[in-house]
Amino acid sequence: DTAVSQTPKYLVTQMGNDKSIKCEQNLGHDTMYWYKQDSKKFLKIMFSYNNKELIINETVPNRFSPKSPDKAHLNLHINSLELGDSAVYFCASSQGFLAGGFSYEQYFGPGTRLTVT
Amino acid sequence: QQQVKQSPQSLIVQKGGISIINCAYENTAFDYFPWYQQFPGKGPALLIAIRPDVSEKKEGRFTISFNKSAKQFSLHIMDSQPGDSATYFCAASGNTGNQFYFGTGTSLTVIP
Repeated sequence: DTAVSQTPKYLVTQMGNDKSIKCEQNLGHDTMYWYKQDSKKFLKIMFSYNNKELIINETVPNRFSPKSPDKAHLNLHINSLELGDSAVYFCASSQGFLAGGFSYEQYFGPGTRLTVT
Repeated sequence: QQQVKQSPQSLIVQKGGISIINCAYENTAFDYFPWYQQFPGKGPALLIAIRPDVSEKKEGRFTISFNKSAKQFSLHIMDSQPGDSATYFCAASGNTGNQFYFGTGTSLTVIP
């Protein structure tokens, strides 16, 4: 079974469109993340959710809106897509808070390659 | 600004050699330092991680060396194999996960 899954794997769309990427984890983790990896492979965190509550919201255009219907899912909705949004988007999850502290170990999904034309 | 600086950008090593990748950070609040391995078309996978209370951690052929006073840490891959050819990222995190920053990545090629 895939621990962290994302759909779709590839997404090609035109400028101005609105699109969503879905993420699901079956690890029972409390914390989920969205990352953007650009063409130079630089990974940057975009959002972090812990138990459906937003923790991290890095400097990301408000065209990007994460939505967490439950702690196993964290979807990413993007409005008015721009050429510069073309990248690979990764979802990840981690255990979050444990009895002994905070677990940082992150497990990544396979990525969604978004191409805006 | 770049919170975690990683070098070199690319590295070519002969099979059986030692691969060394270095990272440096500034924020002393960081308390978790992982290394990730990424193959083309795949997501990053956690390789090994260290907390600042130890200076070294070894798992198989992979070793993290950590120098808290210098705010530097490095990944050593012993007996490098062609299957190790991938992009390696260091990262640093702190504040119970409210901060998580990746280095710029190192493309490792191991020549048979």
